[in-house]
Amino acid sequence: DGGITQSPKYLFRKEGQNVTLSCEQNLNHDAMYWYRQDPGQGLRLIYYSQIVNDFQKGDIAEGYSVSREKKESFPLTVTSAQKNPTAFYLCASNRAGELFFGEGSRLTVL
Amino acid sequence: AQRVTQPEKLLSVFKGAPVELKCNYSYSGSPELFWYVQYSRQRLQLLLRHISRESIKGFTADLNKGETSFHLKKPFAQEEDSAMYYCALRANTGGFKTIFGAGTRLFVKA
Repeated sequence: DGGITQSPKYLFRKEGQNVTLSCEQNLNHDAMYWYRQDPGQGLRLIYYSQIVNDFQKGDIAEGYSVSREKKESFPLTVTSAQKNPTAFYLCASNRAGELFFGEGSRLTVL
Repeated sequence: AQRVTQPEKLLSVFKGAPVELKCNYSYSGSPELFWYVQYSRQRLQLLLRHISRESIKGFTADLNKGETSFHLKKPFAQEEDSAMYYCALRANTGGFKTIFGAGTRLFVKA
């Protein structure tokens, strides 16, 4: 079954802890993206990567970090520096301009 | 700066009525515009893109460069059209990132 796989679906974290969200794709797409989805604000771009070993900050990168060591994988780390990390996170890949999304990961900070 | 504005958070219409979801954008170049849709319990997915000029599920959208708009229209709404709709803009320079509007929830009443 091809597509974007995000894990975990639900994650709880204590304040001060870093947490890493996984995103894997088997679509052979070069570009991958991380968005944050908040009610009333739509999707806001955190980081994106056009190619392996390269990534750029999006509009709200502060408090987040990423890596792109393999084409298939684009993990997102939510660090303790992120002031308001409770949100729904969406990963996507890109083919010819069209984005393909995962099912999302909901992070709750207790 | 790139921006996508969807002025309506919620749009409620009766089945069989026409529907128009508004989208305005600001971008200095020639962007590519998209509409994405998220049905209940499904992934966010592409509905249509302006370069394809297609009608998908009865929906159409015309890019109006003079008014910088890309409104989504359907002449006769169906209950299954109830969903969250996002207008998106893909830059053609600077990393080709895609940004989204805040979204409009369409509710089609029987």
